[in-house]
Amino acid sequence: GAVVSQHPSRVICKSGTSVKIECRSLDFQATTMFWYRQFPKKSLMLMATSNEGSKATYEQGVEKDKFLINHASLTLSTLTVTSAHPEDSSFYICSARDREGWNTEAFFGQGTRLTVV
Amino acid sequence: AQSVTQPDIHITVSEGASLELRCNYSYGATPYLFWYVQSPGQGLQLLLKYFSGDTLVQGIKGFEAEFKRSQSSFNLRKPSVHWSDAAEYFCAVGAGGYQKVTFGTGTKLQVIP
Repeated sequence: GAVVSQHPSRVICKSGTSVKIECRSLDFQATTMFWYRQFPKKSLMLMATSNEGSKATYEQGVEKDKFLINHASLTLSTLTVTSAHPEDSSFYICSARDREGWNTEAFFGQGTRLTVV
Repeated sequence: AQSVTQPDIHITVSEGASLELRCNYSYGATPYLFWYVQSPGQGLQLLLKYFSGDTLVQGIKGFEAEFKRSQSSFNLRKPSVHWSDAAEYFCAVGAGGYQKVTFGTGTKLQVIP
């Protein structure tokens, strides 16, 4: 399958600071990227869907001003957690696909463990 | 809204033994069902999927799953587990194929010698 790389895999930041997580498609052009969040002992929850060159679509309950998503190129999407607080500590994972369509598989990155202290 | 339940948080099996991971879903229409595996430090990898047709689907690494509409289940099975199968397994349901995928909480599989 196609390769999606996330960076960093782990990050610790101080409360009140912002942190950026990158999601790259290494061997294909990603028209759509998805960002998920996993709370401890909870399922992966879709946060937002981003399409290259347009604004991200956020799921209900996700603060778009807190979780800034930028999909400026066909191989890179970034998630910035602004003014992070301890409750933002979580596992964030992205996925990407190379075209639209209900039958198009999305490939996942390895995830980023964010700890806010 | 769709949802997925994986009742077993953690399962331990002996190497060579058979495995069944349970998954129940809730969705009003025909479900699109998936099983993913995540090894430490790795992204989620698709093991298999059910979109339509034969209710017994074969996947990679010797896994299979059976869709049972009457029980709203999509259990994952493997006849003989290998130590390399130790990982976390996620069941998921999509509202339309790979669109709007909802994941379960995952089952962590431990394999003992």
